[in-house]
Amino acid sequence: DAGVTQSPTHLIKTRGQHVTLRCSPISGHKSVSWYQQVLGQGPQFIFQYYEKEERGRGNFPDRFSARQFPNYSSELNVNALLLGDSALYLCASSLNQYGFTDTQYFGPGTRLTVL
Amino acid sequence: GQQVMQIPQYQHVQEGEDFTTYCNSSTTLSNIQWYKQRPGGHPVFLIQLVKSGEVKKQKRLTFQFGEAKKNSSLHITATQTTDVGTYFCADPIQGAQKLVFGQGTRLTINP
Repeated sequence: DAGVTQSPTHLIKTRGQHVTLRCSPISGHKSVSWYQQVLGQGPQFIFQYYEKEERGRGNFPDRFSARQFPNYSSELNVNALLLGDSALYLCASSLNQYGFTDTQYFGPGTRLTVL
Repeated sequence: GQQVMQIPQYQHVQEGEDFTTYCNSSTTLSNIQWYKQRPGGHPVFLIQLVKSGEVKKQKRLTFQFGEAKKNSSLHITATQTTDVGTYFCADPIQGAQKLVFGQGTRLTINP
């Protein structure tokens, strides 16, 4: 079975632009979470979605938004990009809503560079 | 806000030496998870500890959860070059539906 997939793998944008990152969870997993990992730090929680509804939100500005589709795939959108948004964006899937007591399976991430 | 502190930030050892990383919280944890991230890779789930005083082993890795559920440790016996990477503890915040990661301990090994 395929693991969590993310696209694109790398992305270069300029300040002020917007970006859409995509994630496909493991087949059968209904929960998708997004994290931002700045170089040298631990991942920071952005959103969790379950059954197409937002179930958790981290301390990120409104420029960050996400959604989950009926097939449980997800998109993360970031508007008005800032230099500080440069990071590895990770998607994680798990079986259940209360995904944080389940095993979290992380995708390979999307490396976003903002110039 | 809720956070877990991890020490040390970096650890360099000779191959064959032991390694330990510690995770501490100011509040009682419901449970604690540990992840490993290889250089250039993504976090991979290692284990979850739930019970006070719990000890779990995976080959050369030993995980402990403190009696007060405020600290945890990961100990690697006789490190190998395949152990290189950053080890993170993470606190699952049930009510907020989020996982709070520590800063990680980066392990490098001299072969």
